Amino acid sequence: QQQVKQSPQSLIVQKGGISIINCAYENTAFDYFPWYQQFPGKGPALLIAIRPDVSEKKEGRFTISFNKSAKQFSLHIMDSQPGDSATYFCAGEGAGSYQLTFGKGTKLSVIP
Amino acid sequence: GAGVSQTPSNKVTEKGKYVELRCDPISGHTALYWYRQSLGQGPEFLIYFQGTGAADDSGLPNDRFFAVRPEGSVSTLKIQRTERGDSAVYLCASSLYVGASGYNEQFFGPGTRLTVL
Repeated sequence: QQQVKQSPQSLIVQKGGISIINCAYENTAFDYFPWYQQFPGKGPALLIAIRPDVSEKKEGRFTISFNKSAKQFSLHIMDSQPGDSATYFCAGEGAGSYQLTFGKGTKLSVIP
Repeated sequence: GAGVSQTPSNKVTEKGKYVELRCDPISGHTALYWYRQSLGQGPEFLIYFQGTGAADDSGLPNDRFFAVRPEGSVSTLKIQRTERGDSAVYLCASSLYVGASGYNEQFFGPGTRLTVL
């Protein structure tokens, strides 16, 4: 059972554009939703995270939008740069579980 | 400071052999996690240690997989009788422990790429 569904699988965005990646979760016990960024040959690195008591969180060019009733959340990257080209993973974690359940990832390519 | 380190970075072995993968967590991090990442997939949870004990090993796929953390720092993931389907990147992560009510960022290492021929 895939508990976190992520789309699109790949995304090509022009430099300066907005990148949007969507995730939907099934496990209602999840109450922590991080986004990780992974470059080739590297481990995932935390980008931004949100708890479901807020609908939006912004850090610099990165924003998470969260819709608890729809069990969906999304990552928006404003003013996308070639250096943002990486694979992005959404994830969910339940209180006390310590397990991150990841989506399948989105490969983002930002072209000049 | 130093991040999570994993050795070896690459391991090629033959079907049926035994392998050990090592993880050195960030100093002071009491929680340690192992994940497996297959090609084109997100990491999948294998096991979580709090200190020396395995607090949650529900992700280990079968009894060929075993992990230890004898002194509460370095951890070793052990795979017996390797199969071609075990080929993947094995990621280790560590975090500070804040208890059941909190969340801590999991810091990932670069992984060990295991190839079983």
